[in-house]
Amino acid sequence: NAGVTQTPKFRVLKTGQSMTLLCAQDMNHEYMYWYRQDPGMGLRLIHYSVGEGTTAKGEVPDGYNVSRLKKQNFLLGLESAAPSQTSVYFCASSDTGYGYTFGSGTRLTVV
Amino acid sequence: RKEVEQDPGPFNVPEGATVAFNCTYSNSASQSFFWYRQDCRKEPKLLMSVYSSGNEDGRFTAQLNRASQYISLLIRDSKLSDSATYLCVAFNQAGTALIFGKGTTLSVSS
Repeated sequence: NAGVTQTPKFRVLKTGQSMTLLCAQDMNHEYMYWYRQDPGMGLRLIHYSVGEGTTAKGEVPDGYNVSRLKKQNFLLGLESAAPSQTSVYFCASSDTGYGYTFGSGTRLTVV
Repeated sequence: RKEVEQDPGPFNVPEGATVAFNCTYSNSASQSFFWYRQDCRKEPKLLMSVYSSGNEDGRFTAQLNRASQYISLLIRDSKLSDSATYLCVAFNQAGTALIFGKGTTLSVSS
């Protein structure tokens, strides 16, 4: 039972490069979320989805785009990476809207 | 004002101590609150929900005071394994996603 899987686990990008973070869940959850966590800032909501084909902005959406074309996958895109996007990114899913299952995180460094 | 604010910590306590964390929230319409636990460099995990009547799970007790928009977590008889960061959580204004506090770090020593 994999739960929530994030790929990649680590990545180093150069400023201006683009990349996509993949979140996959095998629990048939409706809700999926992307958070970033920085030292001293806690977890901040980037974007979320309440069902296949839907997305919504969270607290810090600028510089990111998302897509939920399939229920089990939630993609987070960085079109032009900036050093300020260096962070640990967590994906989560839920069937109830509050009991989140988190992935193990993606550690992204932008140089 | 941030939607969820917590004691900054860190809390350093000996084994067996009782420790309490506090949290305030700004969304008066939020119906549900939670405490999550996060170990160093790991993902957060749900510790317990917080109900208006308060709830207890073993050594852990959570309380909610709606009038003061205040949540607390009490840990009795602290164990070394309780060392972690505790995140206070409430719903966002739209009621569609969880908003996490910055967390309070607990270190239990022998």
